[in-house]
Formats: sequence, structure tokens, C-alpha cells
Amino acid sequence: AQKITQTQPGMFVQEKEAVTLDCTYDTSDPSYGLFWYKQPSSGEMIFLIYQGSYDQQNATEGRYSLNFQKARKSANLVISASQLGDSAMYFCAMRGRIQGAQKLVFGQGTRLTINP
Amino acid sequence: ETGVTQSPTHLIKTRGQQVTLRCSSQSGHNTVSWYQQALGQGPQFIFQYYREEENGRGNFPPRFSGLQFPNYSSELNVNALELDDSALYLCASSSILAGLNNEQFFGPGTRLTVL
Repeated sequence: AQKITQTQPGMFVQEKEAVTLDCTYDTSDPSYGLFWYKQPSSGEMIFLIYQGSYDQQNATEGRYSLNFQKARKSANLVISASQLGDSAMYFCAMRGRIQGAQKLVFGQGTRLTINP
Repeated sequence: ETGVTQSPTHLIKTRGQQVTLRCSSQSGHNTVSWYQQALGQGPQFIFQYYREEENGRGNFPPRFSGLQFPNYSSELNVNALELDDSALYLCASSSILAGLNNEQFFGPGTRLTVL
């Protein structure tokens, strides 16, 4: 079974600073994928970044980068130059399999607040 | 490219009633997954539909059921509603052909309140 742990219920950061959101995972599968999603107050889950377990380099997407440390089973999200619009819930997720389906297993989330 | 849409956006029901939530998948996607997100929690996988059949289910009772139609849209039905069914219900579409990434694209959700 897969498990995602996000230990920071809330983070407060000044605008333009960088922020790291923590995520650790547990799985016995040799091949897996890790995702980060942003959920604003409207409710929609917005895909940010993906890291495959066999990817040689850490994933980057614009201001988002993923600090993937396989031996430590961590996949932290780094947001550079934070903006007021980054205030939202952030979820780390892992792709899992159940019967014939591919599902996402989510952590509890971290609420990020960017202060002006 | 049309994104994932869900209806209705909000719904209020009373305990014991039945509810149907609807989801239209993103263009080109043939797989639909449903998630329940209770307040303050991460989403929990309910089930997934592919080729109009349920191909995987999470830890949810049989009163949660679904359908997928030939155009890949889907319905989630919940019978005998309980207070704990109050949650945001998220639909996600993906393509079984997308490979290892198989990114799931989420709709805006339906917020269900059971009184």
C-alpha cells in the first residue's frame, strides 16, 4: 500500500521568498510516480509537477521544482519567488494501483499563505 | 480543448435521500475517477471507470455506485445518504494510453451537504 505524509498543516511566507513544502512517501513498488497539486478555495485540483521514480533529474516547471531524494523517500515541492496567488492548499500524491485502476493517494495537505 | 466539468456545483440533501453527481471528461480522455474530499482532508479514491466498467474501487460501501457512458462521461450515485457523506466530490479524467505519467485532470468538484 502507498502512503503520503505531509507534516506541515500550515506555512506562512513573505511574498517573493522561496518556500519548501515537505512530503514523504512510503511504497513497496519499485516503479512509482509522485505528483503535486494546488487547490485554491474554489476547490479544483490544479496539477503542478510530476516526478517519476526512475527520472534521473529533479522535475522543474517554471517556478516549481521538486527536490526528489529517493533514499530518504521524500519529494519536497519548492516554490521560488512566491506570489500572493500562490496562497492555497497544496497536496502531494502518489500513483497507486488498485485492482485494474490507477488511483492517486493523497497526503493531508499543507495550507500555504503568502503575506504581502 | 474542453476541460473536466462537473454538475451541480453545490447540492443540499437530507439524510436517507439519494443523489446523482455528473462529470464530463476532458476531450480525448477515456478514464474517469471519482474522489471524496472531506473538510480538511486529502481526497480519497472512490472508484474508476474505463470502457463503461468499474475497474477499481477504494474503501467505500456499495451504496456508492457509478456509471460511465459511451462518450466517457460519468455519474456518481450515492444512496441512503449519511451525514458523513458531506464532502467535496471530485471527478478526474485521464487517458489509459498516457503511459507512466497518466496525469489525472480534475474538475471543479461538487460540494454535497447532507442535513
